[in-house]
This record gives sequence, structure tokens and C-alpha cells, in this order.
Amino acid sequence: GEDVEQSLFLSVREGDSSVINCTYTDSSSTYLYWYKQEPGAGLQLLTYIFSNMDMKQDQRLTVLLNKKDKHLSLRIADTQTGDSAIYFCAESLNDYKLSFGAGTTVTVRA
Amino acid sequence: ETGVTQTPRHLVMGMTNKKSLKCEQHLGHNAMYWYKQSAKKPLELMFVYSLEERVENNSVPSRFSPECPNSSHLFLHLHTLQPEDSALYLCASSPVIRGTQYFGPGTRLLVL
Repeated sequence: GEDVEQSLFLSVREGDSSVINCTYTDSSSTYLYWYKQEPGAGLQLLTYIFSNMDMKQDQRLTVLLNKKDKHLSLRIADTQTGDSAIYFCAESLNDYKLSFGAGTTVTVRA
Repeated sequence: ETGVTQTPRHLVMGMTNKKSLKCEQHLGHNAMYWYKQSAKKPLELMFVYSLEERVENNSVPSRFSPECPNSSHLFLHLHTLQPEDSALYLCASSPVIRGTQYFGPGTRLLVL
């Protein structure tokens, strides 16, 4: 967990874009993931990006990867109240281990 | 993720009790995982199974005992737990040992 860092909180107005940032330290990571956790629920896989890609878009979600700076971001377009949750960034380590950040709590206000 | 189910969803137990958590995956995956999620701490990997063989025991106390009878089921047997073991226990599965992990809803455990 200490190798993956995220800001703890983000507040965004409904309809605006949200950008959640993450930094990681293992340059050999092959995949980087974004998971979403709603209150009382498990982790839902949102999207992932392979380390040789710079960008991946999936409907309202855009993932940007800067390998040089070891920086990953998740942009949510047209943020809705249902997007309020904790978002976890994770990097895949040597083989099967995932290293998770502490999570960013996103609050969508009307 | 309805592909991975966990029961019970909530559990309250005393320190002298013995209980078991169950995880079942309906995705045809070959690898399964137990994680612990405590407040204000990152997710901690506890155990990893691949094709019913344990490949990781991440310095977990012996009061937690995993069992994987087949590739679809994973159990976590609990005995003489401590209050600090109260947490959300998450199960995950992946197609193969290096694959993308899909999580269940978790079991919220409270040890009194």
C-alpha cells in the first residue's frame, strides 16, 4: 500500500469532470487498475490499463498513464451522484500481487 | 460483481467462537484470494490459491485458516480471534494466477 499513493478526498459538483490521481513506484508493473467501492460493498473493477499504453477510454472513464513519472489518473466525465464512492488505484507487482493505494473518497454534490 | 459471492455478509463473534467465511466464484477462474480491509489501512493480501494449491501465506496469524476444496470455493476458518481482527474480509478470483482480480462483496466481521 505504501508504494501507491492517492489523495484521500475529492469533492466535485454534479455534471463536472472528476480527476483522481495516483502515483506508484514499481516501474515493472504490467497492469494498473482502478476499482470502485460503494458503502458496504466490495471492490468493483472499473477499468485497467496495460503498461505499454498511454490512454484508455471506456464510456465516461478515461485513464491516463505516464510511465516516466509513474503517474496514473482516472477521469470521470459528467460526474453523477452514483459516482460517489471510494476509488482505489492498484498496481500489479511481480506476478499475482496487487498493491493498493489507500483510496480516494469522491463526494458528488448537487 | 455477482460472479463472486460471499457468505455471510455480516458476522459478529466472540473471541472464543469458531466460524467460517465462505466464498464462491461462478466465473470459471483458477485463482482465488483472501484480503483484509481495515479502517484507514490499505488492503492486505492474506492468502492466494491457484488450482487449489496455496501459493501465498502472507504472514497471517494461525487463527486464520484457509481452505480451498476446489477452484470454485474458498473458505476462511476463524478461531480465537482478537478484536483487532474486526474488518471487512474480501474474496477475489482471477482467471489465472496473474489475471485481473474480481472481488466479492465482502464479509463485515466484528469480534467482541
